[in-house]
Amino acid sequence: DAMVIQNPRYQVTQFGKPVTLSCSQTLNHNVMYWYQQKSSQAPKLLFHYYDKDFNNEADTPDNFQSRRPNTSFCFLDIRSPGLGDAAMYLCATSRFSGRAVNVLTFGAGSRLTVL
Amino acid sequence: QKEVEQDPGPLSVPEGAIVSLNCTYSNSAFQYFMWYRQYSRKGPELLMYTYSSGNKEDGRFTAQVDKSSKYISLFIRDSQPSDSATYLCAMSQSNYQLIWGAGTKLIIKP
Repeated sequence: DAMVIQNPRYQVTQFGKPVTLSCSQTLNHNVMYWYQQKSSQAPKLLFHYYDKDFNNEADTPDNFQSRRPNTSFCFLDIRSPGLGDAAMYLCATSRFSGRAVNVLTFGAGSRLTVL
Repeated sequence: QKEVEQDPGPLSVPEGAIVSLNCTYSNSAFQYFMWYRQYSRKGPELLMYTYSSGNKEDGRFTAQVDKSSKYISLFIRDSQPSDSATYLCAMSQSNYQLIWGAGTKLIIKP
């Protein structure tokens, strides 16, 4: 089945120790998104790639970086995690054409714990 | 003021009840309105979407948009324990960037 796969599902790290989360998709979608979701809060968009174009949200901290080496893979790097970065990180994809509704397909998420 | 407001709940109802979930918004330019369902420890999945005003029905689910009141609703008829999840509304002006509500946690008691 075509889908969005995130790894790892659960990540525990120490304060300040870098973390990389990965996302792969078999949907051949042209847009990939990284969201941060904390308990009882709306998902917060960190970055998205529209084809090869990288778009960084204005309020995304510099501590967060992203890479998209090819159309199928995307990585989220947290250079020095703080306690406030503990959250669920959601990867999503969509095939945006400007004509049909932009429907996002999400992965199952990576839950990050910072000790 | 947040662009999209959604009561976080939890909303607890008995099985078989009609459920009403709601969001209010402030940006009158929003045209695309969506409801996503998120089960525990999973990513959100699209449930329904509507464009502009009006109603849309899909099985036990009905989505309503009232642009004059800046208010959207999701109704669930004959609610089942498997409907227990968090329901997130999302909306967009351009059909590209989505603005999300915080989600309402729904619990259906058997």
